[in-house]
Amino acid sequence: DAGVTQSPTHLIKTRGQHVTLRCSPISGHKSVSWYQQVLGQGPQFIFQYYEKEERGRGNFPDRFSARQFPNYSSELNVNALLLGDSALYLCASSLQGEGETQYFGPGTRLLVL
Amino acid sequence: AQTVTQSQPEMSVQEAETVTLSCTYDTSESDYYLFWYKQPPSRQMILVIRQEAYKQQNATENRFSVNFQKAAKSFSLKISDSQLGDAAMYFCAPFSGTYKYIFGTGTRLKVLA
Repeated sequence: DAGVTQSPTHLIKTRGQHVTLRCSPISGHKSVSWYQQVLGQGPQFIFQYYEKEERGRGNFPDRFSARQFPNYSSELNVNALLLGDSALYLCASSLQGEGETQYFGPGTRLLVL
Repeated sequence: AQTVTQSQPEMSVQEAETVTLSCTYDTSESDYYLFWYKQPPSRQMILVIRQEAYKQQNATENRFSVNFQKAAKSFSLKISDSQLGDAAMYFCAPFSGTYKYIFGTGTRLKVLA
């Protein structure tokens, strides 16, 4: 079975632009979570979705938004990009999300210039 | 709030030896789970071990085991018979329904041949 996939793998944007990152969970997994990992730090929780509903949100500004589609894939959108948004964005999927093992994708490396 | 502390930014271990990575956490939740994840240089995060906080028995997974002390809020990871492939960043991550996953700052493990 395919693991969690994310696209694109790398992205370069300039300040003020908008970006959309995509994630496809493992088949059968209904929960998707998004994380931001700045170089040298641990991942920080951004969003969790389960059955297309937002189940949790981390301490991120409203410039960050996400959604989950009927096929359980997910998009993370970031508006008005700042230099500080440069990071590795990780997507993780799990069956239902509550205390279960998460399976991570390879991430999308975003560089904001 | 929920916090997690990994006090060892970097550890080294000789191949075939044993090493223990420490993690302490603070949570106001009564029901939670604890995870150790590994992030090799390729950067894909993978699960090492999972502990349910209501279980007193320490989790084990082959060469990996934990020392879970709930009262002390300590969750250390022991790696026995260390192998070169164990070299990675290791993240401790408590999970609760309220705060979701909170990752520590990580411990970089180096395995010396």
